[in-house]
Amino acid sequence: AQSVTQLGSHVSVSEGALVLLRCNYSSSVPPYLFWYVQYPNQGLQLLLKYTTGATLVKGINGFEAEFKKSETSFHLTKPSAHMSDAAEYFCAVSAIYNQGGKLIFGQGTELSVKP
Amino acid sequence: NAGVTQTPKFQVLKTGQSMTLQCAQDMNHEYMSWYRQDPGMGLRLIHYSVGAGITDQGEVPNGYNVSRSTTEDFPLRLLSAAPSQTSVYFCASKRRDSASEKLFFGSGTQLSVL
Repeated sequence: AQSVTQLGSHVSVSEGALVLLRCNYSSSVPPYLFWYVQYPNQGLQLLLKYTTGATLVKGINGFEAEFKKSETSFHLTKPSAHMSDAAEYFCAVSAIYNQGGKLIFGQGTELSVKP
Repeated sequence: NAGVTQTPKFQVLKTGQSMTLQCAQDMNHEYMSWYRQDPGMGLRLIHYSVGAGITDQGEVPNGYNVSRSTTEDFPLRLLSAAPSQTSVYFCASKRRDSASEKLFFGSGTQLSVL
């Protein structure tokens, strides 16, 4: 079975500050890991994903995440927050062995950016 | 290229009513799925399909039916709406049922059951 835990349902940062959104996963098989972003009144869109290879993954809009197997973590970071980053962020896990490639989502973290 | 289109955007139902949420994609994706989004619970998979004529249950299938007669369409039916089904529903698709493929989401249907 797989699961995802996102630490902190709300995170608030100042514009220009570091963004750190935490994600821990549980998986009995090698995981595929994703971060999706949801802007108000919209569907989700992919920020970045880890499947195999390099453990530091770069995504859109300056975000990146590092897969750490020993810590079962896939935290999302951005060096300098922008007002336009305010949104809800979801971590998700899947696995090559999942029939249908189903994604299991975390609870979500709402990011607020203060001027 | 419209992507994933969901209709309606908003719907209010009375307990016991039935309705169908529509989902269509124009990307020739094999895989389609329905999620519901509830505060503090993330997105939970209701049903999914890996191709026309093939459907399967996700985490929370009770009270919902699906069918997949064409590649493009994947409607979600609520047979007898209950207040517990008040939620935002998202349809999503991807090229194939590989675990590494990204999902394309529709803009959602906000459903209230009174």
